[in-house]
Amino acid sequence: KQEVTQIPAALSVPEGENLVLNCSFTDSAIYNLQWFRQDPGKGLTSLLLIQSSQREQTSGRLNASLDKSSGRSTLYIAASQPGDSATYLCAVDFGNEKLTFGTGTRLTIIP
Amino acid sequence: DTAVSQTPKYLVTQMGNDKSIKCEQNLGHDTMYWYKQDSKKFLKIMFSYNNKELIINETVPNRFSPKSPDKAHLNLHINSLELGDSAVYFCASSQEAFAYTDTQYFGPGTRLTVL
Repeated sequence: KQEVTQIPAALSVPEGENLVLNCSFTDSAIYNLQWFRQDPGKGLTSLLLIQSSQREQTSGRLNASLDKSSGRSTLYIAASQPGDSATYLCAVDFGNEKLTFGTGTRLTIIP
Repeated sequence: DTAVSQTPKYLVTQMGNDKSIKCEQNLGHDTMYWYKQDSKKFLKIMFSYNNKELIINETVPNRFSPKSPDKAHLNLHINSLELGDSAVYFCASSQEAFAYTDTQYFGPGTRLTVL
């Protein structure tokens, strides 16, 4: 069964610190992996998409890595800010014409 | 301009009623999706349409019927609503159907509460 897991479910970090969010998946034969952000009561916003052939993608203070062999991806956030507080979702395209989502990590940046 | 919009934002109704949720995207995308996010925040795909044709139906009860009048619109009609249908429903769109480089754009969600 193809599954995506995100641990921990919640994380609190003081402002200014760097942090890493984790995502693991059960099948290494993926097409791509995406990281989304969801603010309370809002829809999802795509942050980064890593194709199967890539090892990382960067956008501003965000860096996402992909290690297919170990079934893991990380989202690194540098110099965290209160505005980074949100739920971060990892989603994998296993090549079956749909995205399989993790349950997310709720991130709180403490001012 | 809003890229993917949904109406209504909130919907409260009684068990047994029939209701519809509308979705529109102005991105010129070919593919649209409906997702359900349950009370535990787990997000799961329900349907996807590519150029008005159904390409994914993820074992959703027959009470749920998507309709795509054109590729910019994908509406969701739900018959005989049940308590378990209470959730947030998200519409999304992408240029192609799950191309390697494709990003999905999500609407703001419709919070459905069945009493």
